[in-house]
Amino acid sequence: AQSVSQHNHHVILSEAASLELGCNYSYGGTVNLFWYVQYPGQHLQLLLKYFSGDPLVKGIKGFEAEFIKSKFSFNLRKPSVQWSDTAEYFCAVKNQGGKLIFGQGTELSVKP
Amino acid sequence: DVKVTQSSRYLVKRTGEKVFLECVQDMDHENMFWYRQDPGLGLRLIYFSYDVKMKEKGDIPEGYSVSREKKERFSLILESASTNQTSMYLCASSPTDGYTFGSGTRLTVV
Repeated sequence: AQSVSQHNHHVILSEAASLELGCNYSYGGTVNLFWYVQYPGQHLQLLLKYFSGDPLVKGIKGFEAEFIKSKFSFNLRKPSVQWSDTAEYFCAVKNQGGKLIFGQGTELSVKP
Repeated sequence: DVKVTQSSRYLVKRTGEKVFLECVQDMDHENMFWYRQDPGLGLRLIYFSYDVKMKEKGDIPEGYSVSREKKERFSLILESASTNQTSMYLCASSPTDGYTFGSGTRLTVV
């Protein structure tokens, strides 16, 4: 069965530190890839998505992600995090059947 | 902006009750989804629908059913609520290239 794996359950960083959150998926066909963010008490919001083309995707709030097909990975990065980035981050993959499958989520805590 | 509205933010129900969770979207999207969100498990797909009166099982459909009588409304039904269905329930709608989520309904079954 298709699955999405996020390596880190909880990441704690100081402000201005660099961030990389890992995401790997297990589907071999054509996929669409997403990162969502959920700020405390708020609903899920789309950070960025990859459908085709340049594998380096830029999203909102300074986030970016790189699709590496050979590694089945779509890691999320940000060069310098802020306290306001404290949230839970979800990687998701949509397969050709149209189902959106989520990873377990990574909770990011940024210390001021 | 697309809006996905879930009728209740918080619900408390008793074991054995029949529970209806309602979701309405205002952008004429064909695709609608119900997920539950649990700590450490991420979001798991319960049911989805590609069109009116169509439904497909997701990964964890047991104990749930759905109804889609109109394009804009997708209801999740817990036929007989149990304590292990205490969770955050999220509805989403989608055209072909993205998903918009509702604010969620936090259901507690006591």
